[in-house]
Amino acid sequence: QSVLTQQPSASGTPGQRVTISCSGSISNIGNNPVYWYQQLPGTAPKLLIFANNKRPSGVPDRFSGSKSGTSSSLAIGGLRSEDEANYYCASWDDNLSAAVFGGGTRLTVL
Amino acid sequence: QVELVQSGGDVKNRGASVKVSCTTSGYNFNSFGIGWVRQAPGQGLEWMGWVSPYNGKIKVAQKFQGRVTMTTDTLKTTAYLELTTLTSDDTAVYYCAKMGPGLRPGSAWFETWGPGTPVTVSS
Repeated sequence: QSVLTQQPSASGTPGQRVTISCSGSISNIGNNPVYWYQQLPGTAPKLLIFANNKRPSGVPDRFSGSKSGTSSSLAIGGLRSEDEANYYCASWDDNLSAAVFGGGTRLTVL
Repeated sequence: QVELVQSGGDVKNRGASVKVSCTTSGYNFNSFGIGWVRQAPGQGLEWMGWVSPYNGKIKVAQKFQGRVTMTTDTLKTTAYLELTTLTSDDTAVYYCAKMGPGLRPGSAWFETWGPGTPVTVSS
């Protein structure tokens, strides 16, 4: 059971916009920044969004992050086949004194 | 460019120990923490801990306290993770990651990841 809650799966067709949600509590998302990671099949995770809504250099602006209260969302616009991957949210939890991850959302591009 | 290269996969017997290395390049090793995250087969990501190459300070997840050692060699710009008393539950891919700015443990900002080191614990 993950500290952060994500829907197990999401899907969309090419060109569509998809949103992945991440729910936490005051001790993690409510008090600390959220990060999003993309893990393509068979590869290491890659940082997609940092500090709630900022994109590292090289990440397309089709990817955007937001945070409100104890929840965060990752939106992917103009869906492409290469976006098919697992997406994880993460934050620091002050009570656990640990970095915590969501269980991951498997995105399928139909 | 920033690069993290990890040691090769390993197979260990139950009760043994494993040591994973993470050799970095392309940035000032002393200025950023190294995080360790593992992923069991078909499962999600699990944070193991953090080490500061600057002063050797570590922060280990409660689950692994007493079984994990995290060290760094600044001359080799390499970080090490050692996990002892292995069980089948420790079968996983172990990742190191360069942390984001701010040399402190309280962060989930894994900026650049290594390719991972698969560890299999056989009974």
